[in-house]
Amino acid sequence: DGGITQSPKYLFRKEGQNVTLSCEQNLNHDAMYWYRQDPGQGLRLIYYSQIVNDFQKGDIAEGYSVSREKKESFPLTVTSAQKNPTAFYLCASSPGDRGTDTQYFGPGTRLTVL
Amino acid sequence: AQSVAQPEDQVNVAEGNPLTVKCTYSVSGNPYLFWYVQYPNRGLQFLLKYITGDNLVKGSYGFEAEFNKSQTSFHLKKPSALVSDSALYFCAVRALTGANNLFFGTGTRLTVIP
Repeated sequence: DGGITQSPKYLFRKEGQNVTLSCEQNLNHDAMYWYRQDPGQGLRLIYYSQIVNDFQKGDIAEGYSVSREKKESFPLTVTSAQKNPTAFYLCASSPGDRGTDTQYFGPGTRLTVL
Repeated sequence: AQSVAQPEDQVNVAEGNPLTVKCTYSVSGNPYLFWYVQYPNRGLQFLLKYITGDNLVKGSYGFEAEFNKSQTSFHLKKPSALVSDSALYFCAVRALTGANNLFFGTGTRLTVIP
C-alpha cells in the first residue's frame, strides 16, 4: 500500500447523496486508476487518468465522476445516479500507461449506502 | 476481447505443502500477466509479473509463476505454503496493444491449514 493513501477507510452514505473518495499518491506516477470491487466479481475499472487534466471512462463509469487537477490526486465522486454504490473502492497508480507498468494499489475505501 | 479465468474459488493446502493457484487468460496478441494478493479489508499487493523472456517468473514472498503460451496459463506457485499466505489472490492480464486496462480474474481464496 505504500505511497498511495485513500480516505476515508469507511464511508456511509444516505441514498440521494453524492460522496467523494480521496486518493493521493507520492510516487510521482503519471497514471492513476479507480476500481470497484464486489464479492465474487474481481475488480472493475471505473475511470483512469494517464496525465494531469485528462481522464477516460472505464468499463463501469456511469454514476461516477473524477477530476485530475494535480498529478498526485485523483478523487472519485459517487453520485446519486449510481444505483448500487455499496462496494469496496480501490485506487491505483502506475509510472505510466505502458502495458509493462505495474499498478500499485491503495488500501481502499469501503462505501456503504444506508 | 481480454479475459482472465481463475477456475477455483477456493484452494486449501496444508502448511508446508506446495501450493498452486490457477489462472488462464485470453487476449489478442502477446499478454502482460500479473499476480496480486489481497488480505482482508486491504488493497492489492503486487506479487509478480510476466512481460517477456524466461517463462518462470519469481516474485515476492517466495512466490513464482510459470507462463505457458500454448496452454494460455499463468499459474501461481510456491514450494512450501505458510499459514500467513492465506489470502485472496488475483490474476490480471493486459494486452500488448489497445486499451491499457488491467483485466482481473474473480479471485481465488487460498487457505493454508496449520
